Amino acid sequence: AQSVTQPDIHITVSEGASLELRCNYSYGATPYLFWYVQSPGQGLQLLLKYFSGDTLVQGIKGFEAEFKRSQSSFNLRKPSVHWSDAAEYFCAAGGGSYIPTFGRGTSLIVHP
Amino acid sequence: DAGVIQSPRHEVTEMGQEVTLRCKPISGHDYLFWYRQTMMRGLELLIYFNNNVPIDDSGMPEDRFSAKMPNASFSTLKIQPSEPRDSAVYFCASSATGGFSYEQYFGPGTRLTVT
Repeated sequence: AQSVTQPDIHITVSEGASLELRCNYSYGATPYLFWYVQSPGQGLQLLLKYFSGDTLVQGIKGFEAEFKRSQSSFNLRKPSVHWSDAAEYFCAAGGGSYIPTFGRGTSLIVHP
Repeated sequence: DAGVIQSPRHEVTEMGQEVTLRCKPISGHDYLFWYRQTMMRGLELLIYFNNNVPIDDSGMPEDRFSAKMPNASFSTLKIQPSEPRDSAVYFCASSATGGFSYEQYFGPGTRLTVT
């Protein structure tokens, strides 16, 4: 069965510091991979997605993610975090005959 | 496009009452998903439709929950009777088949409180 693991429930960073949120997946083939962001009181918004090709994917708001097949990972990164990035981040994997499976989410806390 | 529209945004009801949540997907999208989000269980897929037909309702917690999609532009999630443990945020999302990517667009959610 497909699954997505986000090992960090909470991540705390200082504003201006770099960020990496981890995501590992278990899937029968190369899945489509997604990162969503959820700001307080709002729905999930797509940050970026990977289908095929270049394994480094650029998204909105300055985020990027790298697909590493050997590690079954799709980690999200940002070189310099802003206070407005504080939110819940969800990784998802799916595609083909499978609808996306979501991870439990990682809560990002940004200190001034 | 206005995006996925959900109503109401907030619902407070007493235990035993019927609750109906509504969703209007993005025009042209042929998949519709209902999710429930709680602190304890995270984001759970309840049911999804393809071309108005329910495909998988294995996530519906019990018979008190039902969902319908009478046409391509409207879906409801009903809880009857409601219980305090149903308190959660319920999201509707839609996607288009193209590329089988299932990139989903989420509505703002309905925060349900059952007292």
